[in-house]
Amino acid sequence: QVQLVQSGSELKKPGASVKVSCKASGYTFTSYAMNWVRQAPGQGLEWMGWINTNTGNPTYAQGFTGRFVFSLDTSASTAYLQISSLKAEDTAVYYCARGLYSSNWIDYWGQGTLVTVSS
Amino acid sequence: DIVMTQSPDSLAVSLGERATINCMSSQSVLYSSKNKNYLAWYQQKPGQPPKLLIYWASTRESGVPDRFRGSGSGTDFTLTISSLQAEDVAVYYCQQYYSSPFTFGPGTKVDIK
Repeated sequence: QVQLVQSGSELKKPGASVKVSCKASGYTFTSYAMNWVRQAPGQGLEWMGWINTNTGNPTYAQGFTGRFVFSLDTSASTAYLQISSLKAEDTAVYYCARGLYSSNWIDYWGQGTLVTVSS
Repeated sequence: DIVMTQSPDSLAVSLGERATINCMSSQSVLYSSKNKNYLAWYQQKPGQPPKLLIYWASTRESGVPDRFRGSGSGTDFTLTISSLQAEDVAVYYCQQYYSSPFTFGPGTKVDIK
């Protein structure tokens, strides 16, 4: 069965960096896109962008350029989200989520990784 | 960017009654040549990731109960829960995947009256 298993919660200080992993199983990793979605505490879903798991080419939504980097280790069927220069407003649950290349609705979601930024 | 709006923000419905959630996009998400609306609906229960309910505006994902129905075209869409069950208490989101960024609506919270 399809599974997306994310790394555990993180507590970071402002200015630090964090790298969230998302390990996929149960399907051919490169046959589907990987999206990233942010959910701040008590708030709605915000689409951050996606990465082409064939080419490694990322696409970032406005507001997620510069400090946010999507990457892959296709040999390990794993996608990564790295956030640098963390700010308090980056505190959120971050989801990886599988999408189709031809029409990017999301059919499977990771369990989410809570990143807390606090001094 | 396509802006998604939802109404109402929240609603409370008696068990067994109908719940109706509206979603509007700032521009059409109908891909005319394919005659498909690039719109999905998700359900998110507290403490859980979202779950796909509907794609192509009206196609139910496998395993989703048939009391969930998606309808609409162009810029106006509706998610109807025909007979609300206790397990349907959740926040519901629409999302357009017509053009990047693939924006979500703000969500509609459904509770039991």
